[in-house]
Amino acid sequence: ILNVEQSPQSLHVQEGDSTNFTCSFPSSNFYALHWYRWETAKSPEALFVMTLNGDEKKKGRISATLNTKEGYSYLYIKGSQPEDSATYLCAFNGGGADGLTFGKGTHLIIQP
Amino acid sequence: NAGVTQTPKFRILKIGQSMTLQCAQDMNHNYMYWYRQDPGMGLKLIYYSVGAGITDKGEVPNGYNVSRSTTEDFPLRLELAAPSQTSVYFCASSRLGPTSYNEQFFGPGTRLTVL
Repeated sequence: ILNVEQSPQSLHVQEGDSTNFTCSFPSSNFYALHWYRWETAKSPEALFVMTLNGDEKKKGRISATLNTKEGYSYLYIKGSQPEDSATYLCAFNGGGADGLTFGKGTHLIIQP
Repeated sequence: NAGVTQTPKFRILKIGQSMTLQCAQDMNHNYMYWYRQDPGMGLKLIYYSVGAGITDKGEVPNGYNVSRSTTEDFPLRLELAAPSQTSVYFCASSRLGPTSYNEQFFGPGTRLTVL
């Protein structure tokens, strides 16, 4: 069983502040690292697929970086807004047919 | 495209009852997956399928069965429901091919309670 860890488990951030959180994953047999955004009572939605060491991806105020050699990825949110409140999942993709191994997520709450 | 659809949205079962959770996708994806999500535990893979007629066990298959007779449908069967199967169940699909990087698209989930 692969170990995909996310920290912190939960995070309270004031509206307007920037924040970041971490996903750590095995540094061997790496194929891709996925970030998903999961709002309460909805299904997870893909944010980024990251494949190369040093990758940086950006979508509006959200960005992510990837370090495959040391096995971690950071997700950053700049100027947090209430609509950013969600659980952010990362998933390790080792290229196997069984797909992705998910972390437990970081539950982000933006306080007005 | 409807994407990935799941029925029912909610269900309450009594211990020992059986039911089938339906999942369908209209994106012509070869890979389909069933996950369960328990509080604080993240998504756990129950079963997956790489194409019609092919299924395989994931991390937590006990108490479940699947079939994949068509590319579109991937039903999950619970036989003899137990309280430990109370969970939210998500179906997902992904396209075959290296450019997809196995990016998965999720259905809306089925919330199941076994009493």
